[in-house]
Amino acid sequence: KQEVTQIPAALSVPEGENLVLNCSFTDSAIYNLQWFRQDPGKGLTSLLLIQSSQREQTSGRLNASLDKSSGRSTLYIAASQPGDSATYLCAPQYRDGKLTFGQGTILTVHP
Amino acid sequence: DGGITQSPKYLFRKEGQNVTLSCEQNLNHDAMYWYRQDPGQGLRLIYYSQIVNDFQKGDIAEGYSVSREKKESFPLTVTSAQKNPTAFYLCASNDRAPNEKLFFGSGTQLSVL
Repeated sequence: KQEVTQIPAALSVPEGENLVLNCSFTDSAIYNLQWFRQDPGKGLTSLLLIQSSQREQTSGRLNASLDKSSGRSTLYIAASQPGDSATYLCAPQYRDGKLTFGQGTILTVHP
Repeated sequence: DGGITQSPKYLFRKEGQNVTLSCEQNLNHDAMYWYRQDPGQGLRLIYYSQIVNDFQKGDIAEGYSVSREKKESFPLTVTSAQKNPTAFYLCASNDRAPNEKLFFGSGTQLSVL
C-alpha cells in the first residue's frame, strides 16, 4: 500500500523565516509529485509539480526538491509571510493516474 | 472563467436518505476524481473516471456511486449504505496527458442530521 508521510504536522513561525516542509513516500515508482496549498474550508491549489526525471522546481519564493530513489520531497518557503498560512499537502502520482495524499503540514506565520 | 464548480457548498443528509453532490468542469479535462477529507486527515480517493462512460473505484468506494455520462459532469451519490458520511468532499480534474496538474473545486461539506 502506498503511504505518504508529512513532517512536521504543524509549524508556527514568525514572519520572515525560511521554512522546510518534508514529505516521504513508500513507493518510489512515482510518475510525478505535486505540492498543494489548502486554505480552511476551501479546495486545493496546485503549487508545484515535479516530474520523476526532475530534481527540483521553483515558483517565486517556493522551491520543491525531489529525491525519487530515497522517496523524499522537500518544499522550501523563503521569507515567509502571514499570507502563506495554510495547510500544505504533498501527493505523488503513480502510473495508474491516482495520487496518494499526505495528511498535510499546517503552517501558521505570525506577524 | 475556466474551473470546477461543486454544489451545494453545504448539504445535510437524513438517515436512510441518498444525496447527490454535483461536480461540473469547463476545463475540457478527460479525467475527474472524487476525494473525501476528514478533519486532520489527508484526502482519500472515492472514485475516478478517465473517460466518459467509464469509472473505477478508489480506495473507499463502499457506500458511494458515480456516473460519467458527459465529459463535463461527474456527480457523486452518497447512499444510505455509507454509515459515516460526514466529511468534506472534493472534486478534481486533469488532462490524461502525463504530468498535468490537478485542479480542485471548492468542496461540499456534508453533514448528517
